[in-house]
Amino acid sequence: DQQVKQNSPSLSVQEGRISILNCDYTNSMFDYFLWYKKYPAEGPTFLISISSIKDKNEDGRFTVFLNKSAKHLSLHIVPSQPGDSAVYFCAALDAGNNRKLIWGLGTSLAVNP
Amino acid sequence: NAGVTQTPKFQVLKTGQSMTLQCAQDMNHNSMYWYRQDPGMGLRLIYYSASEGTTDKGEVPNGYNVSRLNKREFSLRLESAAPSQTSVYFCASTPGMNTEAFFGQGTRLTVV
Repeated sequence: DQQVKQNSPSLSVQEGRISILNCDYTNSMFDYFLWYKKYPAEGPTFLISISSIKDKNEDGRFTVFLNKSAKHLSLHIVPSQPGDSAVYFCAALDAGNNRKLIWGLGTSLAVNP
Repeated sequence: NAGVTQTPKFQVLKTGQSMTLQCAQDMNHNSMYWYRQDPGMGLRLIYYSASEGTTDKGEVPNGYNVSRLNKREFSLRLESAAPSQTSVYFCASTPGMNTEAFFGQGTRLTVV
């Protein structure tokens, strides 16, 4: 059973607009969340993270929001650029299981010029 | 800046053949990992090494063995390849256990 769910397999956005990628989780013991970006034929690269004691973390065009009560986090990319087209993975650290890293299945983002 | 280097990048094996996937990192990281990525399955952890001299099973260890040769190198061995092991394999490293990971470029393995 997926503990980290990225319910949208794909997302298409116009260049310059906002991209919002969503991630839901089921385990209340998750205490740290990470987003990775993956281009075809490359390994994932770390993008941004957030601790469960925060509700927002911002790094340039990328902002992650965490809603603990809803067990939901989202990654906002503003403005979106064609180079942002990639698969985005949400991952969570399980404080109740040796800080095991649990991965979502990914969302493929296409930013159209 | 090499980061995490995996070899080979591509490999085709016949069922029953063996091979070793090599991984090396030059960032002095303590922890290293082997993942496989399959369509619709995301990233699944095969084995990991929290520190030099230790290895542990991940989610899908069957059919694989690993060796943490030294702090830099972590190899993955398939003793008798099966078609179900056709996948893309990623090696990763982190400064500490499950902190932000650095990934290699992947090895695309096909078992026929």
